[in-house]
Amino acid sequence: GAVVSQHPSWVICKSGTSVKIECRSLDFQATTMFWYRQFPKQSLMLMATSNEGSKATYEQGVEKDKFLINHASLTLSTLTVTSAHPEDSSFYICSAIAGGMNTEAFFGQGTRLTVV
Amino acid sequence: GIQVEQSPPDLILQEGANSTLRCNFSDSVNNLQWFHQNPWGQLINLFYIPSGTKQNGRLSATTVATERYSLLYISSSQTTDSGVYFCAVEDDKLIFGTGTRLQVFP
Repeated sequence: GAVVSQHPSWVICKSGTSVKIECRSLDFQATTMFWYRQFPKQSLMLMATSNEGSKATYEQGVEKDKFLINHASLTLSTLTVTSAHPEDSSFYICSAIAGGMNTEAFFGQGTRLTVV
Repeated sequence: GIQVEQSPPDLILQEGANSTLRCNFSDSVNNLQWFHQNPWGQLINLFYIPSGTKQNGRLSATTVATERYSLLYISSSQTTDSGVYFCAVEDDKLIFGTGTRLQVFP
């Protein structure tokens, strides 16, 4: 299957700082990438959908000014958690699809963010 | 929005047992995928199965799109099968089910 690489795997940051998470498709061009958030023992909750070269579409209840998403190329999307607070601590996972919808999605390894 | 429910929520098996996991969804979908999330959080693609039946080793899956459900079969379970199993359905975005947490004991 296709490979999606997410970096970093884990990060600890101080309250008030910003953290950037990268998601790269290594062996295919990703027209669309998704960002998910997962709390312990819960399912994955979709945060936003990003298409290369256009603004991300955020799900209801997700603050777009706090979670900045950039999909500048067909192989890279970034999620920046701005002015992080302890309640932002979570597991963040990206996924990518090669074609349009109706194609298989592949996931990165996830990033465990801890805000202290 | 579309609702995706999985059952059972928790499943405990002894090594060698067989099991069936179910995924129900509330509306028509374009596609469905099954994943296994390992203890480190990585999602492993198991099946991309909008309809019909597929098999891969000890695992197989069946999706009956007209009746809005999918089943994942695990045969001769092993301790390495432990983890959380998710189905995810696609309308215009990929929505995850509630998950089934599987524990396989030797």
